[in-house]
Amino acid sequence: GQGVEQPAKLMSVEGTFARVNCTYSTSGFNGLSWYQQREGQAPVFLSYVVLDGLKDSGHFSTFLSRSNGYSYLLLTELQIKDSASYLCAVRVSNYAQGLTFGLGTRVSVFP
Amino acid sequence: DMKVTQMPRYLIKRMGENVLLECGQDMSHETMYWYRQDPGLGLQLIYISYDVDSNSEGDIPKGYRVSRKKREHFSLILDSAKTNQTSVYFCASRDNYAEQFFGPGTRLTVL
Repeated sequence: GQGVEQPAKLMSVEGTFARVNCTYSTSGFNGLSWYQQREGQAPVFLSYVVLDGLKDSGHFSTFLSRSNGYSYLLLTELQIKDSASYLCAVRVSNYAQGLTFGLGTRVSVFP
Repeated sequence: DMKVTQMPRYLIKRMGENVLLECGQDMSHETMYWYRQDPGLGLQLIYISYDVDSNSEGDIPKGYRVSRKKREHFSLILDSAKTNQTSVYFCASRDNYAEQFFGPGTRLTVL
C-alpha cells in the first residue's frame, strides 16, 4: 500500500531551526512535495524534490533519500509566523494523479 | 495573478439534500482535483479531471460525482448528502511542473 508518515507536532524557539521529518512507502515514486498550511487556509506549495540530496531554498531546505523513503523540511531562522502545519505529499509514477498526503506536522514557534 | 477560486466558501445543508461545489481556475491548467480534509485523516483525493469530460476516481469517490464541461471549471456534486460528508473541500489545479495550486476551500456542514 501507500503511506506517508509525519510526526504530529513539533515545537521550537524563534531564531533557531525546526526539522520536519517525513517517511513514505509508495509504489512508483515520482517526487515529493512540501506544503505549508495555516489554520483555516489552503495548503501553499513550498518545494518539490525528486533527486536525492539537499535542496536549499533560502529560509528552508528540503532533503530526500529515495533509498530510505525519507525526506525532511528544514526551516531556519524561525519566526513566529512560521507556526503552521507542514504537509508532506508524495507523487506516484503517474504524476497526473493526485498527491498522497501525510497528516501534517504542526510546528509551533515560541519566543 | 494565478488563482483557484471556490464557491461557496461556507455551506450548510440537511441530510438528503443535493450539494454543488464549484471550482474555477484562470491558468488554463488541464488537470484539476477535488480533495476533502478531515481532522486525523488529512487530505484525501476524491476525483481527478485530466481535461473536459475526462474524469477519474481518486481514493474516496463513493458518494460523489464530478462534472467538467469547460477547462476552467470543475464541479463536485453530492447527490443526497450524508452527515459523514461534513468536511472542508479543496479544489486544486496542476501546472506543467506538477505543482498543485489549491483553492481557499469550502466548509460544508451536513445536518
